[in-house]
Amino acid sequence: SAVISQKPSRDICQRGTSLTIQCQVDSQVTMMFWYRQQPGQSLTLIATANQGSEATYESGFVIDKFPISRPNLTFSTLTVSNMSPEDSSIYLCSVRKGSLYEQYFGPGTRLTVT
Amino acid sequence: EDKVVQSPLSLVVHEGDTVTLNCSYEVTNFRSLLWYKQEKKAPTFLFMLTSSGIEKKSGRLSSILDKKELFSILNITATQTGDSAIYLCAVEHNAGGTSYGKLTFGQGTILTVHP
Repeated sequence: SAVISQKPSRDICQRGTSLTIQCQVDSQVTMMFWYRQQPGQSLTLIATANQGSEATYESGFVIDKFPISRPNLTFSTLTVSNMSPEDSSIYLCSVRKGSLYEQYFGPGTRLTVT
Repeated sequence: EDKVVQSPLSLVVHEGDTVTLNCSYEVTNFRSLLWYKQEKKAPTFLFMLTSSGIEKKSGRLSSILDKKELFSILNITATQTGDSAIYLCAVEHNAGGTSYGKLTFGQGTILTVHP
């Protein structure tokens, strides 16, 4: 499996501000992903974080709103910009690892925007 | 459009009961189907299924995939209160293009096990 940490674990932010979430993995991985889980909903992929190139965003998510960095093979950040209450969600990073490249998730960041 | 549908959406049982959770899918470029257990924030990996008819087992949990009928089931025998959680089914997309590695999730099944 993989040991994944995320910081912060939770935060309460004001409308219009930005928050950067960090994801750290205990070993090098090629593929890292960022997901969002809105209250009462399932997980939705925001983007794939690519090392050395721009992130690949899913339909409905844009770089200006969710800029992502991937400076090396063990670390990535997701920024939620110009936040509104609709951005209140759990944000999770995941990695593909293991003999079958199964996906493992970090502990998540619970974001509340007031 | 890719779709993963789980049923039932919620289930209430008593300790010792056996439960079967269902997951059907319609996705392009299927690679694998994964089951997760979510108790607080982070989904915990349970199984990854890539081939039809091969049962995966871990303790009281087991799962099987039918790639012809496009569904999977997750069985939990002799349920315990600690099994109470949301069980998520996800389909991973195959190599090729920008969807590689992407997981499409179902809505989840909320399982409540009473003592």
